[in-house]
Amino acid sequence: ETGVTQTPRHLVMGMTNKKSLKCEQHLGHNAMYWYKQSAKKPLELMFVYSLEERVENNSVPSRFSPECPNSSHLFLHLHTLQPEDSALYLCASSPVDRGRFDTQYFGPGTRLTVL
Amino acid sequence: KQEVTQIPAALSVPEGENLVLNCSFTDSAIYNLQWFRQDPGKGLTSLLLIQSSQREQTSGRLNASLDKSSGRSTLYIAASQPGDSATYLCAVLTQGGSEKLVFGKGTKLTVNP
Repeated sequence: ETGVTQTPRHLVMGMTNKKSLKCEQHLGHNAMYWYKQSAKKPLELMFVYSLEERVENNSVPSRFSPECPNSSHLFLHLHTLQPEDSALYLCASSPVDRGRFDTQYFGPGTRLTVL
Repeated sequence: KQEVTQIPAALSVPEGENLVLNCSFTDSAIYNLQWFRQDPGKGLTSLLLIQSSQREQTSGRLNASLDKSSGRSTLYIAASQPGDSATYLCAVLTQGGSEKLVFGKGTKLTVNP
């Protein structure tokens, strides 16, 4: 148990659906991250939030919309996705020590399939 | 742009064998390097973290080394067991204005009983 939970664990959606992924951390961290893991590609950082403010957006398409209402919760809102968006979406959290992002702890991921 | 490469992409060994996984990175301006384990369909579990000022870290049967100047790290697994079968990921925390964790593609390890 890493202290980072993600729901749902599996999601199948059509291209016209709207869904949301949820991440919750119980570690008292103040930075949270969304990563995408596609087959045969390295983990790709999508978004970083520090103290509930977005500090990184790695040129992610607007069909992915993050939301961080507080330091313990992170959402990824999905709409009009494409089949190539099918992947494992991983959430992570970390402390921020004197302005530096420290060791990240990962959740189990949401396996997303877009039909 | 930092790039992380892991060799081999896949490795199959008999139980009990000692093995080495390799990781290289192109930019030595890193804060630390981490080795993770990922089981199929699961998230990542951190195994070892080496700060940029350190040379190695050990945890049980695992030993990770770091040679920052040459951009290399190795993960040594002693007396491998079938339960060690998983994908092992190497990641570096980059320095600079935009700190981020950059991952390799991983090495898929299979330990056969």
